[in-house]
Amino acid sequence: KNQVEQSPQSLIILEGKNCTLQCNYTVSPFSNLRWYKQDTGRGPVSLTIMTFSENTKSNGRYTATLDADTKQSSLHITASQLSDSASYICVVSDRGSTLGRLYFGRGTQLTVWP
Amino acid sequence: EADIYQTPRYLVIGTGKKITLECSQTMGHDKMYWYQQDPGMELHLIHYSYGVNSTEKGDLSSESTVSRIRTEHFPLTLESARPSHTSQYLCASSAGTGVKATDPTNEKLFFGSGTQLSVL
Repeated sequence: KNQVEQSPQSLIILEGKNCTLQCNYTVSPFSNLRWYKQDTGRGPVSLTIMTFSENTKSNGRYTATLDADTKQSSLHITASQLSDSASYICVVSDRGSTLGRLYFGRGTQLTVWP
Repeated sequence: EADIYQTPRYLVIGTGKKITLECSQTMGHDKMYWYQQDPGMELHLIHYSYGVNSTEKGDLSSESTVSRIRTEHFPLTLESARPSHTSQYLCASSAGTGVKATDPTNEKLFFGSGTQLSVL
């Protein structure tokens, strides 16, 4: 069964600290993996998209890594800011099916305290 | 910044009412989608469209219907709202063309801000 599991479910850190969010997936055949940031009451916003051949992709203070062999990805946030408080969603797309079927994780709720 | 708009942002209605959630995008995207999201849960695809006059049901069974008469407009309608329809509804679009998703860059999804629907 194609699934996307994220951990931790929630995380609280102090402003300025770093953190790492995890994503494990069983989606096959794999096409790409995306990380989205969703502020409360808003739609998700794309942070990174990685294909099978990419190990790392950065977007400012956000760095995503992908290990396609172990089917794991992580999102590292450096020098956290209050505005980083949001839900971070891992999304995996399969290859070949119509529409590029997307499998969504439930997200990690990050709270950054001053 | 994504140019995709949803109205209303919040809607509280009584059971049995007919409602239409509006979604418009100004990016000229062919593909549009409707997702449903409950608190703390993953997004579920309920409808999608490849282009004008194309509509398909998604993975999650839904009593709603959609139409795509114009490229930029993808409204969702509930003929008779029930409390079980209470949820957040997210509209999205992507620039990909054709049926198969082959270029992940083109398939980047742009989401609207959502409509929070509460049916009493």
